[in-house]
Amino acid sequence: QKEVEQDPGPLSVPEGAIVSLNCTYSNSAFQYFMWYRQYSRKGPELLMYTYSSGNKEDGRFTAQVDKSSKYISLFIRDSQPSDSATYLCAMMDSSYKLIFGSGTRLLVRP
Amino acid sequence: GAVVSQHPSRVICKSGTSVKIECRSLDFQATTMFWYRQFPKQSLMLMATSNEGSKATYEQGVEKDKFLINHASLTLSTLTVTSAHPEDSSFYICSASREERVAHEQYFGPGTRLTVT
Repeated sequence: QKEVEQDPGPLSVPEGAIVSLNCTYSNSAFQYFMWYRQYSRKGPELLMYTYSSGNKEDGRFTAQVDKSSKYISLFIRDSQPSDSATYLCAMMDSSYKLIFGSGTRLLVRP
Repeated sequence: GAVVSQHPSRVICKSGTSVKIECRSLDFQATTMFWYRQFPKQSLMLMATSNEGSKATYEQGVEKDKFLINHASLTLSTLTVTSAHPEDSSFYICSASREERVAHEQYFGPGTRLTVT
């Protein structure tokens, strides 16, 4: 079993839709939860980070962490074609090493 | 701020040769840099953690004699793939930590695509 599971997609939505991206994990020691966006053949770019459980909002993006269920989500409101990319969840415990999910490909259709 | 560059962006080499990839933090000093490998449609996998002035720490299953890492200054780390083989073909990405032990202060380079023929 992988430490972090993420549906690879692709997920195709029309412009303006609300997008929900999710990851599950098995290591209860994870404390930090991040979402990265990666465009093709580029390095990941940090979108959101959360410490422990709860919600965090930044513009069109909302990150949710449910540690009791070992489940994290990223919501994108009013999705745009420019949001088309691969979204990677990543987690970190006290070792400060990032453990990534395999990424979900998102396509927002104009 | 917090820009990380990699050079080259892509490289093709013949089997058995060695390839060096550079990772630079352009506008900050990074005591710690990380090297990742990403195969197509797969996750980034941490290969090693590199600290300035000391030996790199390799993850389980990563051959330290094959993937040589040097972190000679606070802004430069290099990864040398020695005696490369086709199975080493991958996307190599580095990251640099702007602030130690702060989860979100790790910045990624644009990656280097290595193709071994």
